[in-house]
Formats: sequence, structure tokens, C-alpha cells
Amino acid sequence: GNSVTQMEGPVTLSEEAFLTINCTYTATGYPSLFWYVQYPGEGLQLLLKATKADDKGSNKGFEATYRKETTSFHLEKGSVQVSDSAVYFCALSERRALTFGSGTRLQVQP
Amino acid sequence: DSGVTQTPKHLITATGQRVTLRCSPRSGDLSVYWYQQSLDQGLQFLIQYYNGEERAKGNILERFSAQQFPDLHSELNLSSLELGDSALYFCASSVGGGGNTEAFFGQGTRLTVV
Repeated sequence: GNSVTQMEGPVTLSEEAFLTINCTYTATGYPSLFWYVQYPGEGLQLLLKATKADDKGSNKGFEATYRKETTSFHLEKGSVQVSDSAVYFCALSERRALTFGSGTRLQVQP
Repeated sequence: DSGVTQTPKHLITATGQRVTLRCSPRSGDLSVYWYQQSLDQGLQFLIQYYNGEERAKGNILERFSAQQFPDLHSELNLSSLELGDSALYFCASSVGGGGNTEAFFGQGTRLTVV
């Protein structure tokens, strides 16, 4: 079956540091890939998505590239802010509901 | 604001009881999904409805059931509640029913079973 594996957290960074959160997936076909973000006390919000190999999703300074050869969809941001502190979920969808990774908590210190 | 509305926001109930969680999807969305978020299990897909019909089932217990009404709102019924059912329950909606499209999430209902 489908599955998503994310790096363990928490990830603690100083403001303006570079962020990478690793995500790899297992799927039988050609899924769409997503990153969702969950701020404290809130629901999940879509951050970015990619629907086919080599697509790059981007939003609010975050980027992720769909790499079919390595089955990866790593999340990156060049300069994090305190306001980026949240839990980030990698997810895939293949003709049905989303399958989520376990989430990675990001803490950004001023 | 995602446009998905869940009620109630918080619910505290005793073991053995039954509760109903309600979800109104975004205007125009035909699919509704239910997810359970707990510390030990993470985000688990429970069930999906599309335009009133069950489309897909995930890790939903037999004590749980759901339905989608003609106005497209959905209800998740949890019965014979156990302490382990304490979790955050999310509803999400999307336009299509076939996956590969983003889903928009409500703010969740936090269920505490005591």
C-alpha cells in the first residue's frame, strides 16, 4: 500500500536559517504529492503541491520538487521566520484520500 | 478560513456514550473526508463520501459510522466510546472524488472521553 515517511522532529532552527524537511514515499502508481502545515490549535492548510514528476510546488518561500527517481518530495525554505513554527505534513494522493506522513515539528527561534 | 465548518469544537463525554460530529464542506465541494489525529497513530483516514455515497473506507472502526446528506453536509457517529477514541477529528472537503486534488480541512473537533 501507499505510505509516506518523514524525518523525525522536532527541528529547531534560528531565524533566517535554511530549512530542509525530508519526505519519501511509496506508491503503486503516480500519486500527487502535497505539503500541509498545521499551526497550533488549527486545522491543516495546504502549503504546496506537485502532480507529476519534476514538478516544483512553491508557496510563501517554501519549495518542493517531485523526484520520481528517488521517490522524494523534500520541503525547503531559504530563510525561515519565527512565524513558520508549526507542524509540517507530507502527503500523497492516488485516486483516493490523502495518506499522511507522521509530521515534523519545526521550531524557529529568534 | 478554509470554508470547511466543523461543530462542535470541543466535546467531553463518558465511556460507553455516543456522539455525533458535524461537518459542512466548502461551497461546491462534493467530497467529504474524515480523519482522526492522535498522538500515537498520527493522521488516519477514516472514510470518504462523494455526493452522498460512500467512496472509500480507511481505518474506521465498526463502532464508527458516517453519512453525507443531500445538502452535502456530513456527520460522523462514534458509539460505545472508549478512552482510546480521544483524539482530534478532522473533516476535509474537495471538489472531486478521485483523489489527486487538494483537500481543505476544518479546524477539527477535539473529543475527550473520560
